[in-house]
Amino acid sequence: AQSVTQLGSHVSVSEGALVLLRCNYSSSVPPYLFWYVQYPNQGLQLLLKYTSAATLVKGINGFEAEFKKSETSFHLTKPSAHMSDAAEYFCAVSGRGNNNDMRFGAGTRLTVKP
Amino acid sequence: KAGVTQTPRYLIKTRGQQVTLSCSPISGHRSVSWYQQTPGQGLQFLFEYFSETQRNKGNFPGRFSGRQFSNSRSEMNVSTLELGDSALYLCASSSADRLYGYTFGSGTRLTVV
Repeated sequence: AQSVTQLGSHVSVSEGALVLLRCNYSSSVPPYLFWYVQYPNQGLQLLLKYTSAATLVKGINGFEAEFKKSETSFHLTKPSAHMSDAAEYFCAVSGRGNNNDMRFGAGTRLTVKP
Repeated sequence: KAGVTQTPRYLIKTRGQQVTLSCSPISGHRSVSWYQQTPGQGLQFLFEYFSETQRNKGNFPGRFSGRQFSNSRSEMNVSTLELGDSALYLCASSSADRLYGYTFGSGTRLTVV
């Protein structure tokens, strides 16, 4: 079964600073990997996905993530944080094939200080 | 195209009652998954339906059930509600192979009193 671990339940950065949210996955087969963002009282919005094309994946709002098989990681980065980036971020993994559901990490709450 | 629609948005129920939540997926999506989100447990997978059949199931008691109709709309039912069932219930739809990830609805906030 697939699983993901997000390192750090809370991350705080200053506006304009680098954002780095960490995610490690566990999967016996090449997985699909995703990052989602959730704003208060809303559903999850897809930021980006890795499905075995390029290992560096660019998403919305200036976010990107790099799939590193050797490190089983899929960390999310953004060069310069904006106040509007404050939200909760979830890493998710899904196996390929129809009988694999999507499993989410515990989430990382990002705070952006002015 | 229209997103995933969940109804109702908010619900207050009493312990012991039952509740039914509804989810209409994006047009063309045949897979619907349900998740329970709580501050303590995070996002917990309930079940997934595809073409009216339950395809995957999480580790929830039998009080939690679901179904999917021929138009891909899905409902989940919780019987004999407990205080611990208070949560945000999220529905997500996707293509069969999840190649493009899930599209989530805004959720139903269930409060059990």
